[in-house]
Amino acid sequence: EDQVTQSPEALRLQEGESSSLNCSYTVSGLRGLFWYRQDPGKGPEFLFTLYSAGEEKEKERLKATLTKKESFLHITAPKPEDSATYLCAVSAGNMLTFGGGTRLMVKP
Amino acid sequence: EAGVAQSPRYKIIEKRQSVAFWCNPISGHATLYWYQQILGQGPKLLIQFQNNGVVDDSQLPKDRFSAERLKGVDSTLKIQPAKLEDSAVYLCASSVSPFNQPQHFGDGTRLSIL
Repeated sequence: EDQVTQSPEALRLQEGESSSLNCSYTVSGLRGLFWYRQDPGKGPEFLFTLYSAGEEKEKERLKATLTKKESFLHITAPKPEDSATYLCAVSAGNMLTFGGGTRLMVKP
Repeated sequence: EAGVAQSPRYKIIEKRQSVAFWCNPISGHATLYWYQQILGQGPKLLIQFQNNGVVDDSQLPKDRFSAERLKGVDSTLKIQPAKLEDSAVYLCASSVSPFNQPQHFGDGTRLSIL
């Protein structure tokens, strides 16, 4: 059974304080790893797809990396508007299996 | 491009009542998904359609949940009868194809069971 574990569950940062979120996974035959952002009362918003170990993707202050067992979402110099829950999900076939998310709070 | 539309946004019912949710996917997206998201958890897939056929419904509680996607576009998810543990947000998503394509989500229906 596919498993996805995200850590930490919650993270508080000061504005400008860089950090990383972790997503570790167990899956037979990874086809893709997805990162989403979810704001309160909204559906998940797609950020990145990573397909193979060593791949990296960047978008503004976010950078996602992938190894054979985990993925990291690095946040550089975060701003309060980066506050949200970040979800990762793995695909090993037709379906996505989501982790429980990391709730990020960035204080000014 | 219009996003995934869902209605209603909120629904409050008593246990043992029935409820239905509606989803209109992004135009041209052949694959449609229904997820259940309990507070503080990640979304859990309930059912996946490819056009108007079911691809995966292994996690759908079929004694009380049903879903259909007529004409391969809009979809409805029904719960009958509802239980207290069904309180959650029900999210609909769509993608161009089921193979490693990003899924685009609607804002969901928040269901509260009294």
